[in-house]
Amino acid sequence: QVDLQESGPGLVKPSETLSLTCTVSGASVSGSSYYWGWIRQPPGKGLEWIGTIYYGGRTNYTPSLRGRVAISVATSMNQFSLRLSFVTAADTAVYYCARLDIAVVDFWGQGTLVTVSS
Amino acid sequence: QSVLTQPPSVSAAPGQKVTISCSGSDSNIGSNFVSWYQQLPGTAPKLLIFEINKRPSGIPDRFSGSRSGTSATLGITGLQTGDEADYYCGTWDSLSAQWVFGGGTKVTVL
Repeated sequence: QVDLQESGPGLVKPSETLSLTCTVSGASVSGSSYYWGWIRQPPGKGLEWIGTIYYGGRTNYTPSLRGRVAISVATSMNQFSLRLSFVTAADTAVYYCARLDIAVVDFWGQGTLVTVSS
Repeated sequence: QSVLTQPPSVSAAPGQKVTISCSGSDSNIGSNFVSWYQQLPGTAPKLLIFEINKRPSGIPDRFSGSRSGTSATLGITGLQTGDEADYYCGTWDSLSAQWVFGGGTKVTVL
């Protein structure tokens, strides 16, 4: 069983940077078999893929956030992180960390609500 | 506007069957495996179907998946009140090199 747990501030001010960490147990973030990523869900809306980090540190991001988003891995802690800069109210959402394969998201974190407000 | 198109809602009586469609294109559903997710109220999505029609351990065979061309379908038979949830399809889009989801379908048990 793979478990993922998001952590980070629940409130971020506009124009500041949102930072979240995902702690993984039951699998290694440094393995080559899977990808690790972030997906968000604005209140009352659908799922939006943010981006993914692959073995070796290669990343892929949704075009709508490219330039503001960065995903990184801390292999010694078995964690990976999300940074989203210059946030606005439109970035308010539940943020999920997840394990992905080429066409499946097989494990999800429980999600954490991040509100952007002054 | 989601890349994959799902109906906003479907409904049926307990014990009946519902189907949820997911329409895409050659670069996503037409050329990559499709997966389906169930999101119960207030919870994280859970994998329901992967590689078009495979069920993870613990998912009952009341749930099934299929694909025809650039569309995929999720079927739920023997509908139960516990099946009331939002359902999402998802896959990789090879053209844009990004993961894409449908807009979600709310299943209501009448």
